[in-house]
Amino acid sequence: DSGVTQTPKHLITATGQRVTLRCSPRSGDLSVYWYQQSLDQGLQFLIQYYNGEERAKGNILERFSAQQFPDLHSELNLSSLELGDSALYFCASSVTSRDGYTFGSGTRLTVV
Amino acid sequence: DQQVKQNSPSLSVQEGRISILNCDYTNSMFDYFLWYKKYPAEGPTFLISISSIKDKNEDGRFTVFLNKSAKHLSLHIVPSQPGDSAVYFCAATSGTYKYIFGTGTRLKVLA
Repeated sequence: DSGVTQTPKHLITATGQRVTLRCSPRSGDLSVYWYQQSLDQGLQFLIQYYNGEERAKGNILERFSAQQFPDLHSELNLSSLELGDSALYFCASSVTSRDGYTFGSGTRLTVV
Repeated sequence: DQQVKQNSPSLSVQEGRISILNCDYTNSMFDYFLWYKKYPAEGPTFLISISSIKDKNEDGRFTVFLNKSAKHLSLHIVPSQPGDSAVYFCAATSGTYKYIFGTGTRLKVLA
């Protein structure tokens, strides 16, 4: 157990739907990062939050949004889902960006 | 634009021999590099890192080498063990808050 908890582990949904992925960071970590891993692709950075505020944005689609709550857990919202959104979504947390992230085990999203 | 490249999708090595995983980058602003290991159904786990002020960092069986002029880093695993079989990702950052990851190399250590 890495200390970073992601739920659900698996999610199957239809095109056009909306889903929410949840992440609880490791205790004491203020930064939360979201990454997407599509088939045969590396980990694509989506967005980072630090202590409730958005800190950095990557290749995140406008259909996707995220937030970090006062208790530091984070949610990634994916809407108007398309088949191409099927991927593994990882959350990671760290104290600083130089610590080396600690990743959760991911949420596998399948859009049918 | 793939700023971090791992050109070998897979590598097979005999147990006890050296595994060498390679990574190239294009952004000269990167100043910190990391290697992660990923087993199936698990998230990536941090393995080893190196700052751009160094050219080598060692941790047990794992050594990372950095060649800044060639924009190249490599991970050496000696001796390789069957439990090392996993996907290895290299990552780089430039003092910002995000890591740029390569596409990974699947290492298979044969017993």
